[in-house]
Amino acid sequence: AQSVTQLDSQVPVFEEAPVELRCNYSSSVSVYLFWYVQYPNQGLQLLLKYLSGSTLVKGINGFEAEFNKSQTSFHLRKPSVHISDTAEYFCAVNDAGGTSYGKLTFGQGTILTVHP
Amino acid sequence: DGGITQSPKYLFRKEGQNVTLSCEQNLNHDAMYWYRQDPGQGLRLIYYSQIVNDFQKGDIAEGYSVSREKKESFPLTVTSAQKNPTAFYLCASSEGDTQYFGPGTRLTVL
Repeated sequence: AQSVTQLDSQVPVFEEAPVELRCNYSSSVSVYLFWYVQYPNQGLQLLLKYLSGSTLVKGINGFEAEFNKSQTSFHLRKPSVHISDTAEYFCAVNDAGGTSYGKLTFGQGTILTVHP
Repeated sequence: DGGITQSPKYLFRKEGQNVTLSCEQNLNHDAMYWYRQDPGQGLRLIYYSQIVNDFQKGDIAEGYSVSREKKESFPLTVTSAQKNPTAFYLCASSEGDTQYFGPGTRLTVL
């Protein structure tokens, strides 16, 4: 069974400051990893994903994440945040071997609040 | 435009009533999913379907039912057996290992 832990439920930052949203996962098999963003009362939008290859993944809106297999982590970073980045962010994992039939396991979410 | 649509955006239901949430996609994806979202709990999988006329229970299927008669449609019925149905419901479809989400339906039981 897989699990995902987002270590911070809320992260407040000031505009133009850097931010890191932490995600750790647990799995006995190889995984695919995803970050999604959700604005209030909307669906989830894919920010970035790691399937294979380079462990540093770049996504939309200036976000990037680094896959660390030894630490089973996939932390999301942005060097300078904007007010518009205020949203809830979800980390998710999928079994890369395909035995989970594409099912995603989600973390509990991290609410990022950017203050002026 | 290709995408996933969910309707209605807001839905109110009286206790004891069944209600059906619509999910339609024109992305030609084979797989579709229903999730329930509650504050602080992330997303939990209700049902999923890998192909037309086939679907599987997810982690919290009790009190819900689905059908998959067409590739583009995957409606979810919240039955009166669901004890705590007030939540935000999200539909998704997938191409390979990546899921794409609809805008959601917020269901409130009065």
